[in-house]
Amino acid sequence: LAKTTQPISMDSYEGQEVNITCSHNNIATNDYITWYQQFPSQGPRFIIQGYKTKVTNEVASLFIPADRKSSTLSLPRVSLSDTAVYYCLVGDPPAAGNKLTFGGGTRVLVKP
Amino acid sequence: DAGVTQSPTHLIKTRGQHVTLRCSPISGHKSVSWYQQVLGQGPQFIFQYYEKEERGRGNFPDRFSARQFPNYSSELNVNALLLGDSALYLCASSWTLGQVSNTEAFFGQGTRLTVV
Repeated sequence: LAKTTQPISMDSYEGQEVNITCSHNNIATNDYITWYQQFPSQGPRFIIQGYKTKVTNEVASLFIPADRKSSTLSLPRVSLSDTAVYYCLVGDPPAAGNKLTFGGGTRVLVKP
Repeated sequence: DAGVTQSPTHLIKTRGQHVTLRCSPISGHKSVSWYQQVLGQGPQFIFQYYEKEERGRGNFPDRFSARQFPNYSSELNVNALLLGDSALYLCASSWTLGQVSNTEAFFGQGTRLTVV
C-alpha cells in the first residue's frame, strides 16, 4: 500500500479556502485517492475520491496532477464547523477489499 | 435512514476481562469492517467481513476476534483485555466489494472502551 504524507496541522480562518496537500510518491497504477473527515468522538466521514485530474462535489474539490504523486484537497470558504482531522488514503478499493489504511491525518483548526 | 449503529457507546472494563462490541450496518450493506483508534492516531484496520466470511485481518493479536451474522450485523470480541486496548472502536459498513463506486465506507460513532 502506498504511504501517504500530509501536514500534521493547519490553521485557517472562516471564509478562507483551505488546501491540504498529500504526498504519495509510491502510488500504484490501480490506486485511488480518498479523503475522509473526522470530528472528535465520531467516526470518519467520506469526503471525496478521485483517480486523476480534478474531482468536485458539493463539499470539496480534489486536484490530482498528471504524475499522481500528490493530491490536494480543497475546502472552499471554510466555517468553524470544518474544524476536524482530514485523512488522505491511497489504495486499490476492489483489491484491498475496502480495507482502509489511515495515516496520522491533518488537524485543521478554523478560527473565527 | 439509520446509519451504522454501534453499541454500547461507552464501556469500562478491567484488565483481563472480555468485551463484546456490536455493530449494525446500514440496511442493504453486506460488508462490515472494524477499526481501532487510539487517541491522537488514525484508525487502524482490525477485521473485515463480507457475506459472513472474514475477508481481511489487520495486525492484531489473536485476542481479537469477530464474526458476522446472517443479518450482516457484526460483533467484535476482545479477550484478556490490556490497558493498551483502551481506544475508540469503529465499525464501518459498505455495500459490496470489488467496485470503486460502491466502496465508500460509512462509519458508526464508535464504542469508547476504557480498560482500567
